[in-house]
Amino acid sequence: DGGITQSPKYLFRKEGQNVTLSCEQNLNHDAMYWYRQDPGQGLRLIYYSQIVNDFQKGDIAEGYSVSREKKESFPLTVTSAQKNPTAFYLCASSSFAGTEAFFGQGTRLTVV
Amino acid sequence: GENVEQHPSTLSVQEGDSAVIKCTYSDSASNYFPWYKQELGKRPQLIIDIRSNVGEKKDQRIAVTLNKTAKHFSLHITETQPEDSAVYFCAASTSGTYKYIFGTGTRLKVLA
Repeated sequence: DGGITQSPKYLFRKEGQNVTLSCEQNLNHDAMYWYRQDPGQGLRLIYYSQIVNDFQKGDIAEGYSVSREKKESFPLTVTSAQKNPTAFYLCASSSFAGTEAFFGQGTRLTVV
Repeated sequence: GENVEQHPSTLSVQEGDSAVIKCTYSDSASNYFPWYKQELGKRPQLIIDIRSNVGEKKDQRIAVTLNKTAKHFSLHITETQPEDSAVYFCAASTSGTYKYIFGTGTRLKVLA
């Protein structure tokens, strides 16, 4: 089943802890993206990567970090520096801008 | 900076009526405009897209129109059905930039 997979679906974190969200794609896409979605809000870009070992900050990168060691994988770490991390996180991939972006099923992160 | 404005934020229609959602983009270099549908708790999925060399595109009950001069594009859903109820996002992107700029979403409710 080709596509983009995020794990876990639900994640709980204690305040002060870092947590890593997984995103894997087998679509052979060059570009990968992380978006944050808050209730009633749109999709805000956290980070994106066009190629392995390279990534750029989006609009709300503070308190987040990413890596792109493999074409298939683009994990997102939510650090303790992120003041309000509770949200729905969506990973996406595309061949390049100007084509369809495919989304993962999302990870709902809750800070307890 | 680049942005996409989307209106309305919520829209309620009677089953069988038409629904129209409008977006305005700021970057005149944008040349690809997808529309995504997101059902509650699920991933956004592409329902239709249009490129800047086309003024209108239809797919059964769904159509998208583009006015490059005014930098407007719109989603039209005819003969709405309860299963059309969801959040709809417009987006704009530019070939070669690897960035998608999303609108803030429209929550469509189709009343039976």
